[in-house]
Amino acid sequence: SQQGEEDPQALSIQEGENATMNCSYKTSINNLQWYRQNSGRGLVHLILIRSNEREKHSGRLRVTLDTSKKSSSLLITASRAADTASYFCATDAGGGADGLTFGKGTHLIIQP
Amino acid sequence: DGGITQSPKYLFRKEGQNVTLSCEQNLNHDAMYWYRQDPGQGLRLIYYSQIVNDFQKGDIAEGYSVSREKKESFPLTVTSAQKNPTAFYLCASSIRPRYGAFFGQGTRLTVV
Repeated sequence: SQQGEEDPQALSIQEGENATMNCSYKTSINNLQWYRQNSGRGLVHLILIRSNEREKHSGRLRVTLDTSKKSSSLLITASRAADTASYFCATDAGGGADGLTFGKGTHLIIQP
Repeated sequence: DGGITQSPKYLFRKEGQNVTLSCEQNLNHDAMYWYRQDPGQGLRLIYYSQIVNDFQKGDIAEGYSVSREKKESFPLTVTSAQKNPTAFYLCASSIRPRYGAFFGQGTRLTVV
């Protein structure tokens, strides 16, 4: 079952602007992860935030997590053309037995 | 270099034929996963394996089979029972989901 839902489905911004995408999920989680997928390629792990964390940074990426609202956001600052890709959130419900559950993704286009 | 390798990149199959997709990793990861991705969709879990000689069905296992005879290898067979096999197949591995997953570059299967 797909738990995460990203919003918006597609986003187009100018190079240099910030991009924000959101993820909502349904059940309690152990952690939430964000991945990037370039067209026709595999996914690349970007950042992981644990359920007891509220915010995490990695380079130009900032992730927030609100477990009370079951939502997360990914902010990419000072966007570049190379950031054009689809971004997926994935949740780990814990227990270690199941694979990650992915949303449908946000397709981000950075206009040069 | 450590990584996860899927082969082939493109695969064509006639209706009624079984086909096996290869996935090999040299990351020494215990867990391996197979996901299916349809156009504009997120990833759906087919099968996962936490340890050699053990694997579990994911959300859409019908029409697929796997084996895990070696830690490094987790091949996926798409059988003739799979009603709509044309898709992009992604293999991943991880220490555990909570540590994030490494993905292969995918195999695009087309039934002709």
